[in-house]
Amino acid sequence: KAGVTQTPRYLIKTRGQQVTLSCSPISGHRSVSWYQQTPGQGLQFLFEYFSETQRNKGNFPGRFSGRQFSNSRSEMNVSTLELGDSALYLCASSPRDRSNTEAFFGQGTRLTVV
Amino acid sequence: DAKTTQPNSMESNEEEPVHLPCNHSTISGTDYIHWYRQLPSQGPEYVIHGLTSNVNNRMASLAIAEDRKSSTLILHRATLRDAAVYYCILRSFPSTGGSQGNLIFGKGTKLSVKP
Repeated sequence: KAGVTQTPRYLIKTRGQQVTLSCSPISGHRSVSWYQQTPGQGLQFLFEYFSETQRNKGNFPGRFSGRQFSNSRSEMNVSTLELGDSALYLCASSPRDRSNTEAFFGQGTRLTVV
Repeated sequence: DAKTTQPNSMESNEEEPVHLPCNHSTISGTDYIHWYRQLPSQGPEYVIHGLTSNVNNRMASLAIAEDRKSSTLILHRATLRDAAVYYCILRSFPSTGGSQGNLIFGKGTKLSVKP
């Protein structure tokens, strides 16, 4: 079974631009979550989707948005990029929206804003 | 969300057991205790989880204190490939109609394994 796939793996953008990151969950998984990882703040939760509905949202500005499609694939978008948005963005999928279920993470997308 | 406390770093020798502690004194009755680890340049990887009883799987064992205010992840024989940051996370059982899918990561414990 294929794992969680994130594309692209690496990305360089300029301040002010916008970016879209993609996540394909494990087949059959309906829950997708996004996390931002930086050296200073560690791993921080961005948002979670289940069956195309956003269930939870972390403490990030409105420039960060996401969506989930009917096939469970998810995208996250960051508009008006700032230097501080440089980070590793991780996607995780779970088969169910239950807290006794493990999450499977992708390799992440390394975003660099210059 | 309930918080966890872990040592910043630990060292172990290869092929010896490793006990990684985690304190979670504010745990609620429905919180599951999850452990994840993150190897360099990779996304986090699920290790194990439990609610009240001790748990074993192919990767590790999880020992949960009787009062559930602390737990210990046990790697029975550390290998060089076990060098990673280990995260202890509490995950709330969802209330009716809700979802508690997000994981709240702390700083974790950086485990170094010496050959």
